[in-house]
Amino acid sequence: KNEVEQSPQNLTAQEGEFITINCSYSVGISALHWLQQHPGGGIVSLFMLSSGKKKHGRLIATINIQEKHSSLHITASHPRDSAVYICAVSKNNNDMRFGAGTRLTVKP
Amino acid sequence: SQTIHQWPATLVQPVGSPLSLECTVEGTSNPNLYWYRQAAGRGLQLLFYSVGIGQISSEVPQNLSASRPQDRQFILSSKKLLLSDSGFYLCAWSVHPGISTEAFFGQGTRLTVV
Repeated sequence: KNEVEQSPQNLTAQEGEFITINCSYSVGISALHWLQQHPGGGIVSLFMLSSGKKKHGRLIATINIQEKHSSLHITASHPRDSAVYICAVSKNNNDMRFGAGTRLTVKP
Repeated sequence: SQTIHQWPATLVQPVGSPLSLECTVEGTSNPNLYWYRQAAGRGLQLLFYSVGIGQISSEVPQNLSASRPQDRQFILSSKKLLLSDSGFYLCAWSVHPGISTEAFFGQGTRLTVV
């Protein structure tokens, strides 16, 4: 079993829909990251959080340390949000463990 | 501001040929540097990390090696590429190792070994 599990693997939504991507992890972590990977492969860090909730524009990330679970929400989704979203966890060393990613397609 | 450069963006190499991918960071000193690989249909896997010049740690045994000849330069190499080395390679850096630190990623190199 992977240390970081994401769901769903693939997600198709209509423009304007509210989207949720889930991440569960099984190891002790110092922080959790949500990353966005575009078709060309480049990766952008969206959030890093170790507790509570963070919001950037239409994106919201939450984490529950006790339940070892995080969610990434996208409100009022748009086709430009189409990308692969990756959950990753930092441990207390030089290691990050990555989920397999969720491929999101938002149709106009 | 800090930036990270990785090149080339794409590379097609024959089996048995050597490899050299370069990553440089600007705007910061003594960064922690990382090489990751993303094989087709799989998540990112840590290959190497470095906390300083000449200090390289390897996470998985493989056909690749890494070097850090300068503070802000990280090189991924192979003497003889295998077909299984194909994948997407990402360089990343962080200010601090692991603990509640934000990681910054390069644009990646898509390597196809033929």
